[in-house]
Amino acid sequence: DTAVSQTPKYLVTQMGNDKSIKCEQNLGHDTMYWYKQDSKKFLKIMFSYNNKELIINETVPNRFSPKSPDKAHLNLHINSLELGDSAVYFCASSQEGAGPGKNTEAFFGQGTRLTVV
Amino acid sequence: LAKTTQPISMDSYEGQEVNITCSHNNIATNDYITWYQQFPSQGPRFIIQGYKTKVTNEVASLFIPADRKSSTLSLPRVSLSDTAVYYCLVVENYGQNFVFGPGTRLSVLP
Repeated sequence: DTAVSQTPKYLVTQMGNDKSIKCEQNLGHDTMYWYKQDSKKFLKIMFSYNNKELIINETVPNRFSPKSPDKAHLNLHINSLELGDSAVYFCASSQEGAGPGKNTEAFFGQGTRLTVV
Repeated sequence: LAKTTQPISMDSYEGQEVNITCSHNNIATNDYITWYQQFPSQGPRFIIQGYKTKVTNEVASLFIPADRKSSTLSLPRVSLSDTAVYYCLVVENYGQNFVFGPGTRLSVLP
């Protein structure tokens, strides 16, 4: 069973279009994330949702909007796509650490390679 | 958030032990040190986590000195399939803020 799955795996679209990337986790985790990995391979956190509430919103353009219908899903909607949005987007999930010595491990999906032309 | 610094790249040969050191000078009392591995076209994968001294699992060992300002990931007898990017993170206890640095690109040569 795939723990964190995101669709589509590849997405090629034209500038100005609106697109969505879906993410689902079957681990029962409370927190889900979206990361962006650019061509230089830097992984940057974009959003974090805990129990359907946004708890981190890094400085991303408001063209990006996360939607969490329930704690197992966190979708990423992007309006008016730009060339600079081309990157690999990773969804991840984690369970809040249970205390000292307890691992807080993030599980990542396989990524969605977005290419804006 | 504690910032981490690690070498950009390393080369090794099959069968060798590889040690990747990470600096985290402003690590806080509640922070844990965590390492992730990322293969091309895949998401990062958790390798190991520790707070102090030494932690060992089936994949790697993590050495953390008493001052905790650095840590060393040790991969025993690497193979070609260990070629990947290795990220060192400092994660606050109970925390869910996983901040990735640029990572170390390890190339294992035959």
